[in-house]
Amino acid sequence: AQSVTQPDIHITVSEGASLELRCNYSYGATPYLFWYVQSPGQGLQLLLKYFSGDTLVQGIKGFEAEFKRSQSSFNLRKPSVHWSDAAEYFCAVGPYSGGGADGLTFGKGTHLIIQP
Amino acid sequence: DAGVTQSPTHLIKTRGQQVTLRCSPISGHKSVSWYQQVLGQGPQFIFQYYEKEERGRGNFPDRFSARQFPNYSSELNVNALLLGDSALYLCASSLEGQGHGYTFGSGTRLTVV
Repeated sequence: AQSVTQPDIHITVSEGASLELRCNYSYGATPYLFWYVQSPGQGLQLLLKYFSGDTLVQGIKGFEAEFKRSQSSFNLRKPSVHWSDAAEYFCAVGPYSGGGADGLTFGKGTHLIIQP
Repeated sequence: DAGVTQSPTHLIKTRGQQVTLRCSPISGHKSVSWYQQVLGQGPQFIFQYYEKEERGRGNFPDRFSARQFPNYSSELNVNALLLGDSALYLCASSLEGQGHGYTFGSGTRLTVV
């Protein structure tokens, strides 16, 4: 069965500091990996996705993620965080075909707090 | 272009009642998925529909059902509501095929009392 682990429930980072959010996945086939961000009471916004090719993926709002097959990881990074980055971040894995019987499997999320 | 729209945004129902949630996908998207997000958790997959056919179902009881219409909009129905059905229900649409992401709506917040 597919699964996603986000080991950090909460992370506190000072504004201007770098950020790394961890994500490990378990998937029996070629994975299709996503990072989404959710502000309180809102839906999910796609930050970036990995489908194939270059393992370093650039996303919106200055985020990037690196796919490491050997470690089953897809960690999210940002070189300098802004107060507006405070939100809940979700990693998700899905089938290579982009859809299908199992949908997306999400991690439990990491709550990012930005200190002034 | 409009994004994924969901209605209503909030509603309160009594235990045992039935509820219908609605979703309109992005124009051109033929695939619609539904997710349940309980407070403090990640979204859980309920259903996926493509071209009006059910493509996948998550681990939810038969009280949950859905359908997709010819214009690709979708409805999620939940019967015999339980307190535990209180959650944010998210709809996502996507293009069929490889390499496409899922665009989520803002969700419907359902409270069962």
